[in-house]
Amino acid sequence: DTAVSQTPKYLVTQMGNDKSIKCEQNLGHDTMYWYKQDSKKFLKIMFSYNNKELIINETVPNRFSPKSPDKAHLNLHINSLELGDSAVYFCASSQGEPGQETQYFGPGTRLLVL
Amino acid sequence: QKEVEQNSGPLSVPEGAIASLNCTYSDRVSQSFFWYRQYSGKSPELIMSIYSNGDKEDGRFTAQLNKASQYVSLLIRDSQPSDSATYLCAVPGTGGFKTIFGAGTRLFVKA
Repeated sequence: DTAVSQTPKYLVTQMGNDKSIKCEQNLGHDTMYWYKQDSKKFLKIMFSYNNKELIINETVPNRFSPKSPDKAHLNLHINSLELGDSAVYFCASSQGEPGQETQYFGPGTRLLVL
Repeated sequence: QKEVEQNSGPLSVPEGAIASLNCTYSDRVSQSFFWYRQYSGKSPELIMSIYSNGDKEDGRFTAQLNKASQYVSLLIRDSQPSDSATYLCAVPGTGGFKTIFGAGTRLFVKA
């Protein structure tokens, strides 16, 4: 069984378009995240949600809008895509005491903006 | 803002050798430390966590923590070509709900 799943796996689109990435976890975790990994492989947090509530918004442009319809899902919508948005986006989930969370990552969505 | 520093490598070791990966962190109050492994084209996966000063062993992997020096390391004994990957050091952000990753060290194990 897949623990954290993301769709789509690959996304190629033109500048200015709007796109969404979906994420689901079946681990029963309370907290979900979006991370961005750039071409230099640096992995950086974008958002975290706990029990559907936004906890962390790491100064991400307003063009990025996460949405958590329930604890098992965290989607990411991106408006007006820019070249610099090209990256791998990882969804993750975690459980446990704040400060001791182990991250369980999805397979990633490889976004290429042309 | 917490920072996690790693040597980006690449670190190249022969098969069977010990690979030593190092990480320093900026925040003295950090209590938890994690090592993730990321194969090329794949997602990161946790391989070790450590919370107390000293060594923690799990199979061929040993994590070492020195809070006074703000230093955490990962030793891989009897390195195998399948250990070739990027190793990410990570610490939780203040207040939780956030993990701060280092840039990662690329390890190559030559057969």
